[in-house]
Amino acid sequence: NAGVTQTPKFRVLKTGQSMTLLCAQDMNHEYMYWYRQDPGMGLRLIHYSVGEGTTAKGEVPDGYNVSRLKKQNFLLGLESAAPSQTSVYFCASRSPGWTEAFFGQGTRLTVV
Amino acid sequence: AQSVTQPDIHITVSEGASLELRCNYSYGATPYLFWYVQSPGQGLQLLLKYFSGDTLVQGIKGFEAEFKRSQSSFNLRKPSVHWSDAAEYFCAVQGNLIFGKGTKLSVKP
Repeated sequence: NAGVTQTPKFRVLKTGQSMTLLCAQDMNHEYMYWYRQDPGMGLRLIHYSVGEGTTAKGEVPDGYNVSRLKKQNFLLGLESAAPSQTSVYFCASRSPGWTEAFFGQGTRLTVV
Repeated sequence: AQSVTQPDIHITVSEGASLELRCNYSYGATPYLFWYVQSPGQGLQLLLKYFSGDTLVQGIKGFEAEFKRSQSSFNLRKPSVHWSDAAEYFCAVQGNLIFGKGTKLSVKP
């Protein structure tokens, strides 16, 4: 049972390049989340999804897009990367109701 | 709007001393609250959670937390800190899963 898997684990991008981060969960969870973590800022919610085909904006959505075409996958896209998007990105998933979330191990992204 | 405040950015305690990490939340309904721990370079691990019922909840690694509705608080405690507890601790409130900025715990030998 893999839980929540993030791909890739590390990536270096040049300013202006695009990329997609993949989050895959095998727990049949409805809800999925993307966060970014920066020193002193905690985890800030970028986008989230409450089910297949749905997405919604979180606290810091600008510069990011997401898609949830399949229930088990939640993709985070950067269309034109900026140095301000250098961060560690975490994905999480959970079931509906008041349940705990399960986190991936993170993706460390550097934009130069 | 929901929010979480962790007033202490960094706390240092001596090994064997007691610990209390503060968390205040803002949420329009009955909150569902969590404490997570993150060791350097690692993901997040759930320490404990409060959904309803008893306001004192027990978690893993000897941690406990007390929910106080009147103070909008959910403080984390441990009676005797071990060196391996050095990590960053995050409080979170659900609705959307919103986190505080974290408290870094250092442990002196």
